[in-house]
Amino acid sequence: KNQVEQSPQSLIILEGKNCTLQCNYTVSPFSNLRWYKQDTGRGPVSLTIMTFSENTKSNGRYTATLDADTKQSSLHITASQLSDSASYICVVSPTLTGGGNKLTFGTGTQLKVEL
Amino acid sequence: NAGVTQTPKFQVLKTGQSMTLQCAQDMNHNSMYWYRQDPGMGLRLIYYSASEGTTDKGEVPNGYNVSRLNKREFSLRLESAAPSQTSVYFCASRGQVGEKLFFGSGTQLSVL
Repeated sequence: KNQVEQSPQSLIILEGKNCTLQCNYTVSPFSNLRWYKQDTGRGPVSLTIMTFSENTKSNGRYTATLDADTKQSSLHITASQLSDSASYICVVSPTLTGGGNKLTFGTGTQLKVEL
Repeated sequence: NAGVTQTPKFQVLKTGQSMTLQCAQDMNHNSMYWYRQDPGMGLRLIYYSASEGTTDKGEVPNGYNVSRLNKREFSLRLESAAPSQTSVYFCASRGQVGEKLFFGSGTQLSVL
């Protein structure tokens, strides 16, 4: 069964610090991996997407990495801000042409940024 | 540009009652989806519509029905609500294959 596992489940950091969230997947075949940010009471919003041929992708203070050989991805947040407090969800797609019905969602990492 | 709009935002039902969750998107997207999100679990697909006029079951369709009313609107119906359907429901849409999903802000449903 295709699975996406994220760690840690939750994380508390001080404002201004960096952090790294992890995503391991067993989805096969693999096409692309997205990270979504979900604020409390809101729907997820896409941060980055990486295909199997990409190693890294940045979006402002967010940098995602992908190792398709070990089936691992990470999301690094630099100089954290209070507004980064959210759940971060890793989502894996198995095929290039597959629809949204083929996506596997991780359970998310709940990040809290404190003063 | 409102994106994906869901109504209602909150709903409390008694076991056995029925209700319809509404979803509309203004991005001219072909595909629309209904997910549920439960604590400790990833988003799970209930039903989807790859294009206007088509609907298909997802991972957890039991107890639900859907209608793709037109290209903009995709509704989810609970015919006889059960406590196991207590969850947060998200509607999403997508334009082209491989593009990101756009989510609504969710409906928090409690079935007592």
